Amino acid sequence: DAGVTQSPTHLIKTRGQQVTLRCSPKSGHDTVSWYQQALGQGPQFIFQYYEEEERQRGNFPDRFSGHQFPNYSSELNVNALLLGDSALYLCASSIGTEYEQYFGPGTRLTVT
Amino acid sequence: GQQLNQSPQSMFIQEGEDVSMNCTSSSIFNTWLWYKQDPGEGPVLLIALYKAGELTSNGRLTAQFGITRKDSFLNISASIPSDVGIYFCAGQLGDSWGKFQFGAGTQVVVTP
Repeated sequence: DAGVTQSPTHLIKTRGQQVTLRCSPKSGHDTVSWYQQALGQGPQFIFQYYEEEERQRGNFPDRFSGHQFPNYSSELNVNALLLGDSALYLCASSIGTEYEQYFGPGTRLTVT
Repeated sequence: GQQLNQSPQSMFIQEGEDVSMNCTSSSIFNTWLWYKQDPGEGPVLLIALYKAGELTSNGRLTAQFGITRKDSFLNISASIPSDVGIYFCAGQLGDSWGKFQFGAGTQVVVTP
């Protein structure tokens, strides 16, 4: 039973560039949520996708956008990268929108 | 910012001791989740709570959903070296299905 997978593992980008992160949910899960975790802090909710639509959104600017595909996998896109976007980006999947979420290993993004 | 107050921030305990930590808020939550995160990895779900007053165990871990629905507690009995890590609480507000808020984490260090 495959868990949540994320790619790439690490990524280094330059300020102003754009980045796309990918997530495949746990088998049987249909909902994907994205979180940003800065060093030494708890994860911060970015948004959640269910039935290929954004269902909930946290306090993140429009530079952060996403997509969910028919196979339930998801992408997180960040435009016009800032140094402050450097963080661990976590994907979590669940069955439905309101139940327990299972996390992937994360993508470590460094913006220089 | 985070609305959950998680305490203590860190704990240094001896192997065999019990550990207690909690999360409190001024808001009412309908779900509480507890996670453990090791360095460089994604959080691992330990316990999920859905009803006020609910007490749930997972091996040496026991968590409770506070009666007021504004707090939750996690206890670890007879700690062992592999309990080292950062423990996070996450709460879901009743009017924000799918949007989990995380505490800042409790770092547990176990000494032999």
